[in-house]
Amino acid sequence: GAVVSQHPSRVICKSGTSVKIECRSLDFQATTMFWYRQFPKQSLMLMATSNEGSKATYEQGVEKDKFLINHASLTLSTLTVTSAHPEDSSFYICSAEIQGMNTEAFFGQGTRLTVV
Amino acid sequence: GIQVEQSPPDLILQEGANSTLRCNFSDSVNNLQWFHQNPWGQLINLFYIPSGTKQNGRLSATTVATERYSLLYISSSQTTDSGVYFCAVFLSGGSNYKLTFGKGTLLTVNP
Repeated sequence: GAVVSQHPSRVICKSGTSVKIECRSLDFQATTMFWYRQFPKQSLMLMATSNEGSKATYEQGVEKDKFLINHASLTLSTLTVTSAHPEDSSFYICSAEIQGMNTEAFFGQGTRLTVV
Repeated sequence: GIQVEQSPPDLILQEGANSTLRCNFSDSVNNLQWFHQNPWGQLINLFYIPSGTKQNGRLSATTVATERYSLLYISSSQTTDSGVYFCAVFLSGGSNYKLTFGKGTLLTVNP
């Protein structure tokens, strides 16, 4: 299957700082990538859809100024958590899809963010 | 939006037992995937199965799209099968270009 690499896998930051998470499709081009957030013992919640060369589409209730998404190339999307607070601590996962008639999604390893 | 319901929410098995996990969805879908989330959080693709039946080793899956459900079968379970199993469905068209997840089934396989 296709490989999606997410970095870093774990990060601890201080309140008020910003953190950037990278999501790369290693062996295919992804015009669309997705960012999810997962709270403990819960399912994945879609935050935003990242489109190469255009603005991201955010889900209702997700602050676009808080979670900045940049999809600068066909293999890289980044999520920046700005002015992080402890309530932003969570598990963030990205996915990329091979486009075509049948779209199968592949996920990165996830990033566990802890804001202290 | 589309509703995805998984059952059971929790399942405890002895090693070697078989199990069936179910996923019901409320609307027609273009894509259905089963994932296993391991203890480190990684989502492992198990099946891409919008319809029909597929098998991969001890795992198999069947999706009956007309009746809006999918089943994941695990045979001869092993402790390494433990984790959360998610079903996710995909709708295309208009603004609904996204994968919607069920709440998952937490499987624990005891030695």
